[in-house]
Amino acid sequence: ETGVTQSPTHLIKTRGQQVTLRCSSQSGHNTVSWYQQALGQGPQFIFQYYREEENGRGNFPPRFSGLQFPNYSSELNVNALELDDSALYLCASRPSGPRGLAGSADTQYFGPGTRLTVL
Amino acid sequence: DQQVKQNSPSLSVQEGRISILNCDYTNSMFDYFLWYKKYPAEGPTFLISISSIKDKNEDGRFTVFLNKSAKHLSLHIVPSQPGDSAVYFCAASAWDGNQFYFGTGTSLTVIP
Repeated sequence: ETGVTQSPTHLIKTRGQQVTLRCSSQSGHNTVSWYQQALGQGPQFIFQYYREEENGRGNFPPRFSGLQFPNYSSELNVNALELDDSALYLCASRPSGPRGLAGSADTQYFGPGTRLTVL
Repeated sequence: DQQVKQNSPSLSVQEGRISILNCDYTNSMFDYFLWYKKYPAEGPTFLISISSIKDKNEDGRFTVFLNKSAKHLSLHIVPSQPGDSAVYFCAASAWDGNQFYFGTGTSLTVIP
């Protein structure tokens, strides 16, 4: 069973540019979440996808968007990059549906993250 | 608004002794709690969890205690080992929500 993988490992962009980060969920996991972890902080929830639809969003502006594909891989897109977007971006997958639908309380498994630097 | 708080940024413990990491939360809707361990340049790794219907869950050297009335949970590591040195995050979720709320982490150093 493969774990959660993310690409690229590191990325440097300039302010105003757009970026796409990729994630491949753990085999059999159909729910994926994205988190932003700024230096010295805990991960902050961006959004969650279940069956290719957004199913929950944190306090992030619309320039943060995502996609989930039938093979459970997913993307995080960030437009009009700002300096404060510099952070570690984490993808996490879980085997069951989101809470509230499945009522499950299972665990999320994280990928290694993509370190984004905006100059 | 930080709903999950880890007030100790760092902790140092001698090898073989007990490590106690603390976490407080404010949202009474939280009913599932987890601890993650994070090494540099890696994503958080799941360690142990507890449902609000329990007050203790044990897995080997790791035990999580939940005090719902105090909205407090703690992670005990006994005996502590140098390989336990990492940043530990507490996280919580509510039954009707989709996101996990994380604390800011506690950096544990186990001294050989």
